Amino acid sequence: QKEVEQDPGPLSVPEGAIVSLNCTYSNSAFQYFMWYRQYSRKGPELLMYTYSSGNKEDGRFTAQVDKSSKYISLFIRDSQPSDSATYLCAMSLYGNNRLAFGKGNQVVVIP
Amino acid sequence: DTEVTQTPKHLVMGMTNKKSLKCEQHMGHRAMYWYKQKAKKPPELMFVYSYEKLSINESVPSRFSPECPNSSLLNLHLHALQPEDSALYLCASSQGIGVNTQYFGPGTRLLVL
Repeated sequence: QKEVEQDPGPLSVPEGAIVSLNCTYSNSAFQYFMWYRQYSRKGPELLMYTYSSGNKEDGRFTAQVDKSSKYISLFIRDSQPSDSATYLCAMSLYGNNRLAFGKGNQVVVIP
Repeated sequence: DTEVTQTPKHLVMGMTNKKSLKCEQHMGHRAMYWYKQKAKKPPELMFVYSYEKLSINESVPSRFSPECPNSSLLNLHLHALQPEDSALYLCASSQGIGVNTQYFGPGTRLLVL
């Protein structure tokens, strides 16, 4: 079983729709959860970061962590064509320099 | 400022060349990383420097040689690369203690002929 599972997609949605992305993981010790957005041929950009369980909202983006289910989600409201990118989930232990990445999920928002 | 800069943006080199990739951050971070990323794959960790000391080497071939001259700079020296080493090379940095939120640079796209 991989440490982090993420369905690579691609996921196509019409402009204005809600995009829902998720990752599952096997290591219950993970405490820090991140979502990165990566445009084609660019470096990953940190989008959201959450600690332990709970929700975090930033503009159109909401990140959720459910540690009991080992499941994290990212929601993008009112999606725009500029949201078309690959979204990578990543997680780590406290004080550990390694990030465990999901495979990445390609999202296409159709105007 | 959460910026990590990398130079060059693109690099083409032959298998006998020697070249270097450079990375710089001014966020006061004490951990810096090199990753390799192939198309449609997540980044793969290569090296980690923590407080300017090499703390992780993920069994990377010796044709890749990292260097951390100071807490803001990170280099990756390349020598006798193979075509399969063609990839996007990413630098990242993080605070170095506690929370490991990593900030990535734009990457260097390397093509080995």
